[in-house]
Amino acid sequence: DSGVTQTPKHLITATGQRVTLRCSPRSGDLSVYWYQQSLDQGLQFLIQYYNGEERAKGNILERFSAQQFPDLHSELNLSSLELGDSALYFCASSPGTGAPDTQYFGPGTRLTVL
Amino acid sequence: GENVEQHPSTLSVQEGDSAVIKCTYSDSASNYFPWYKQELGKGPQLIIDIRSNVGEKKDQRIAVTLNKTAKHFSLHITETQPEDSAVYFCADSGGSNYKLTFGKGTLLTVNP
Repeated sequence: DSGVTQTPKHLITATGQRVTLRCSPRSGDLSVYWYQQSLDQGLQFLIQYYNGEERAKGNILERFSAQQFPDLHSELNLSSLELGDSALYFCASSPGTGAPDTQYFGPGTRLTVL
Repeated sequence: GENVEQHPSTLSVQEGDSAVIKCTYSDSASNYFPWYKQELGKGPQLIIDIRSNVGEKKDQRIAVTLNKTAKHFSLHITETQPEDSAVYFCADSGGSNYKLTFGKGTLLTVNP
């Protein structure tokens, strides 16, 4: 158990809908990262937050957005969903020392878009 | 960063044998190289990592070697056990302090 929690574990929805994925980092960690895992693209970095502020963006679509709240939990919002958005979404957290940090992954949310 | 090539994509060994997985990277600024193990239905679990100021690191049956000149690093698992069966991913941070770029993964099967 990494100490990172994610909810829900599974999510099934329809095209065009909007969903919110939630992540709670390990106690004391200030950085949160979101990754998408699919069969064709592998594990891809989406976005990072550090202590409530967006720090870096990767291959994140404009239909996707995220935020980190004062209690350091984070949410990833996916809108106007398409079939191709079906994937595993992982959250990771790290202390935020900038060393670079060791990232610890949560159990993921499996999103299925029908 | 940039690109990480991982080989082989599948590896089957007998219990007790050693397993070696290799990765090459392209970003000369890369300075952090973690390895993750992912079991079915679970998130990636860090098993070992190495930073660019050392050439080798060992933790019980697991070791990682780094050759910065050749831009490659390898995972070595000795005395493999059936519970080592999983998908293993290498990654590198490039010159960043945030983004990990992952290899495509190696499915390791340890046959009893």
